[in-house]
Amino acid sequence: GAGVSQSPSNKVTEKGKDVELRCDPISGHTALYWYRQRLGQGLEFLIYFQGNSAPDKSGLPSDRFSAERTGESVSTLTIQRTQQEDSAVYLCASSLSGNAETQYFGPGTRLLVL
Amino acid sequence: AQSVTQPDIHITVSEGASLELRCNYSYGATPYLFWYVQSPGQGLQLLLKYFSGDTLVQGIKGFEAEFKRSQSSFNLRKPSVHWSDAAEYFCAVAPFTSGTYKYIFGTGTRLKVLA
Repeated sequence: GAGVSQSPSNKVTEKGKDVELRCDPISGHTALYWYRQRLGQGLEFLIYFQGNSAPDKSGLPSDRFSAERTGESVSTLTIQRTQQEDSAVYLCASSLSGNAETQYFGPGTRLLVL
Repeated sequence: AQSVTQPDIHITVSEGASLELRCNYSYGATPYLFWYVQSPGQGLQLLLKYFSGDTLVQGIKGFEAEFKRSQSSFNLRKPSVHWSDAAEYFCAVAPFTSGTYKYIFGTGTRLKVLA
């Protein structure tokens, strides 16, 4: 595709509900990353997928957060039992490989937990 | 611990003035270095990157950055700022750790340009 796309662009949910965020990487990119950007802060690494290797989940803040990726295509980030502190912009990026290739970012999903 | 510091949270410059945004990193070996720009409502766009070689790197939109190993710095510069440069700028490093590259981002510098 032309770029990384994410959906939805905005999501408002109630505390305690589950949410799913979707990322479509650039076609042919084997590496995919999720980041969280809280208001006024930098990007916080969440999870990294590289091809068929086991994902690097070291950045996930709690067991309420999980992510999946099917092959080298779409990824979904799921947040269960959302909390107000989960409110943030969730950014997805992809790169040709995981070897410090340039990461191309999507526009993000802005999540608001009421 | 590995970290990236952008000491200036906000910077205001007049249009046409020069600009320098600071970035310092803390890491034993030289990581890969990046500058991204985030305009309101937009995703992050890569301005430039440094992997090795010439320590002065040219990027898009007239930006350049200089890597100084002795100072662990990678400052972003532009000789003449345009109003359209108003945005948030993020420095990122990619240290090689355990066979993978994970970007570590600074907290960003928000640039305001006065007409």
